[in-house]
Amino acid sequence: DSGVTQTPKHLITATGQRVTLRCSPRSGDLSVYWYQQSLDQGLQFLIQYYNGEERAKGNILERFSAQQFPDLHSELNLSSLELGDSALYFCASSVGPENSPLHFGNGTRLTVT
Amino acid sequence: QQQVKQSPQSLIVQKGGISIINCAYENTAFDYFPWYQQFPGKGPALLIAIRPDVSEKKEGRFTISFNKSAKQFSLHIMDSQPGDSATYFCAASRHDNYGQNFVFGPGTRLSVLP
Repeated sequence: DSGVTQTPKHLITATGQRVTLRCSPRSGDLSVYWYQQSLDQGLQFLIQYYNGEERAKGNILERFSAQQFPDLHSELNLSSLELGDSALYFCASSVGPENSPLHFGNGTRLTVT
Repeated sequence: QQQVKQSPQSLIVQKGGISIINCAYENTAFDYFPWYQQFPGKGPALLIAIRPDVSEKKEGRFTISFNKSAKQFSLHIMDSQPGDSATYFCAASRHDNYGQNFVFGPGTRLSVLP
């Protein structure tokens, strides 16, 4: 168990809809990262937060947004969903500035029909 | 410069054999190199990691070899077992005052035959 909690585990929704994915980082971790993994693909970095502030953006679509709250949990909002958005979405956390590993949650599997 | 290259894309090894996965990077600012193991439907899990001030790190059957001058690092799995069948990702990161920037390789799918 990595200590990173993601909810829900599965999400099925229709095209055009909006969903929110939630992540609780490991206790004490200040950084939260979001990744997208399509079927049999690698990990595509979406966005990173550090202590509530956005720190880095990757290949995140304009239809997607995220935030990190004062209690350090994070939410990823996906809107105007398309079939191609179907994927596993992972949240990961790390302690902070110093070199430390990422700890991944078990992901949310999103299916857009 | 931000890419991490990984090879092979897939690997089939007999039980008891040695599995070797190679990665290469360009950005000399990277200062932390972890490897992750991912089983289907699960999140990647940290396997082993190395910093560039050492050339080798061993944990059980898993060894990272690091060549700073060549900007290459590799994962060796000794006595490979069917339970090692998974996708392996190498990564490189650099840090600043606000966190770390991780770059992942595209992954290697390992199959260990019984």
